[in-house]
Amino acid sequence: QQQVKQSPQSLIVQKGGISIINCAYENTAFDYFPWYQQFPGKGPALLIAIRPDVSEKKEGRFTISFNKSAKQFSLHIMDSQPGDSATYFCAARVLVRGSTLGRLYFGRGTQLTVWP
Amino acid sequence: ETGVTQTPRHLVMGMTNKKSLKCEQHLGHNAMYWYKQSAKKPLELMFVYSLEERVENNSVPSRFSPECPNSSHLFLHLHTLQPEDSALYLCASSQELDYYGYTFGSGTRLTVV
Repeated sequence: QQQVKQSPQSLIVQKGGISIINCAYENTAFDYFPWYQQFPGKGPALLIAIRPDVSEKKEGRFTISFNKSAKQFSLHIMDSQPGDSATYFCAARVLVRGSTLGRLYFGRGTQLTVWP
Repeated sequence: ETGVTQTPRHLVMGMTNKKSLKCEQHLGHNAMYWYKQSAKKPLELMFVYSLEERVENNSVPSRFSPECPNSSHLFLHLHTLQPEDSALYLCASSQELDYYGYTFGSGTRLTVV
């Protein structure tokens, strides 16, 4: 059973438009929700993250919206640029039982293409 | 050098070969991970090491054997692999209880022929 469900699988947006990627989860023990960006030939890189006690976090053109009651969170990319074309992964973290170590569960990824 | 470095970047091996993947982190982190990334699948956690001790092994076949000799180095020893093991193998590191997430390497693209 997949812990974090991500949609859409692929997204095509025109330059200057808004890209929106959605994720949902069930496990209420998740305590941290990062988004990763991955370019071809590279590993995922942390883009932005949020804790469940915050409803929104903004960093530049990237915003996470978090709805704790609905167990949903989303990434909004404002003024999307061709350089934003990449695969985006949402993730959720839970502490490994009996330790202080966090374990990340990832969504399946969204391939974003921004047309010039 | 900074970050998480993985070598080799690409590896082609036959099913009877033995090879090793190497990961090195220069971030002072105390936890390291191996992930498998296959096309159209979520990132699959394979192994977790905390302070050089394996804390998690997610039902990974024994043909994959991890080794963590110190907090900066992580290896994945491979033997008698199957073609379905072809994937991008990613190493990551983190600091326990750190809310800044994992730092990933660029991965090793493995092809089993």
